[in-house]
Amino acid sequence: KQEVTQIPAALSVPEGENLVLNCSFTDSAIYNLQWFRQDPGKGLTSLLLIQSSQREQTSGRLNASLDKSSGRSTLYIAASQPGDSATYLCAVRPGTGGFKTIFGAGTRLFVKA
Amino acid sequence: DADVTQTPRNRITKTGKRIMLECSQTKGHDRMYWYRQDPGLGLQLIYYSFDVKDINKGEISDGYSVSRQAQAKFSLSLESAIPNQTALYFCATSDSGRMGTQYFGPGTRLTVL
Repeated sequence: KQEVTQIPAALSVPEGENLVLNCSFTDSAIYNLQWFRQDPGKGLTSLLLIQSSQREQTSGRLNASLDKSSGRSTLYIAASQPGDSATYLCAVRPGTGGFKTIFGAGTRLFVKA
Repeated sequence: DADVTQTPRNRITKTGKRIMLECSQTKGHDRMYWYRQDPGLGLQLIYYSFDVKDINKGEISDGYSVSRQAQAKFSLSLESAIPNQTALYFCATSDSGRMGTQYFGPGTRLTVL
C-alpha cells in the first residue's frame, strides 16, 4: 500500500532564505507526483506536477525534483517570502493504474518578515 | 468566479443531525470527488463519481452518502452526524484523462458537537 510522508510537519524561516521541503513514498511505481499549496479557506492549488519519466519541474522560484528509485521528492523554494506561508502537500498517483491520489499530511511553512 | 464552489463554508451541528454539503463546478469536468482532511493526516477519499450514473466508495465511505444530481453538482450527506466526523471537507473535480489534475473547492469546515 502506497504511503506518503512529509517531513518536517512544520517549518519557520526568516524571509529570504532558500528552503527544501521533503516528501517520501513507499512504492516507487508511481505515475506522477504533484505538489499542492493549501491556504486557509482557499482549498488546494496545484504548484508542480512531475511525471514518472521526469526528474524535475520548475516554476518561478519553485523547483521540484523526483527520485523514484529512492522514493523521494523535494520542493525547493528560493528566496522565500511571507506570501509563501502556507501548507504544502505532496501527492502521488500510483502507476499501477487508476486515478486515486495518495496525499501526504503536509508541511506547514511560516516565513517571517 | 471560482471554478469549484462548496456550500456551506462552515457548519456547526449536533450529534445525530443530518447534514448535506454541496459542491458545484463550472469546469465541465466529468469526475468529481469528496475528500476529508483531519489535522496531521493527508486527504482521504470518501466517494468519487466518474459521471452522473457512476458513484463509487472511497477509503472511508462509512457514515456518508453522496448524490450526483448533474454533471456539475455532487453533494455529500452525513445521515446521522457524529463527533469524529468533525473535519475539513473538500470537493474536487478532474477531467477524464489520466493526466488530469484535480481542482479543489475552498473546503467546508464541519464541527459536530
